[in-house]
Amino acid sequence: AQSVTQPDIHITVSEGASLELRCNYSYGATPYLFWYVQSPGQGLQLLLKYFSGDTLVQGIKGFEAEFKRSQSSFNLRKPSVHWSDAAEYFCAVGANFGNEKLTFGTGTRLTIIP
Amino acid sequence: DAGITQSPRHKVTETGTPVTLRCHQTENHRYMYWYRQDPGHGLRLIHYSYGVKDTDKGEVSDGYSVSRSKTEDFLLTLESATSSQTSVYFCAISAGYTKTDTQYFGPGTRLTVL
Repeated sequence: AQSVTQPDIHITVSEGASLELRCNYSYGATPYLFWYVQSPGQGLQLLLKYFSGDTLVQGIKGFEAEFKRSQSSFNLRKPSVHWSDAAEYFCAVGANFGNEKLTFGTGTRLTIIP
Repeated sequence: DAGITQSPRHKVTETGTPVTLRCHQTENHRYMYWYRQDPGHGLRLIHYSYGVKDTDKGEVSDGYSVSRSKTEDFLLTLESATSSQTSVYFCAISAGYTKTDTQYFGPGTRLTVL
């Protein structure tokens, strides 16, 4: 069975600073990987996804993520955060035989300070 | 944004009462999902549907049942609500025609069981 670990429960960064959110997965084959963002009181919005090909994936809102098979990681990055990036971020993994079951990590809450 | 609505958006009920949550989509997507979100657990899949009258269990299905009589509607029923079912419930949809289809999420329903 697949699993996802987000080791950081809460991260605080200054506005304008760079950001990296960690995600490690466990799956026996090449996984499908996703990052979602959830603003307070809202549903989840897809930031980016990786299925195959280029291991550096660009997403919306200036985010990118890099798939590293050797480290079983799919870390999310942004070079300069904005106050509006404050939210909770979820990494998810799907099996590559179909998308009917996603397994989510427990999330990382991002706080932005002025 | 994907056309997904959930009703009600908020509900308070008492232990032992039946509760039904509704998810409605306007995208004509094949797959529909119900998740629950709890602090420290991320999102966990309750049930999903891969077509009208076709459903299957997810990770945390005990105490929940679902029905899908039309493509656009997916109902989640708590036959006899318990306090452990206090949670935020999210519906998601995906087209389901390729392995790489993305899941899109509704706004959520906050359920409190007293």
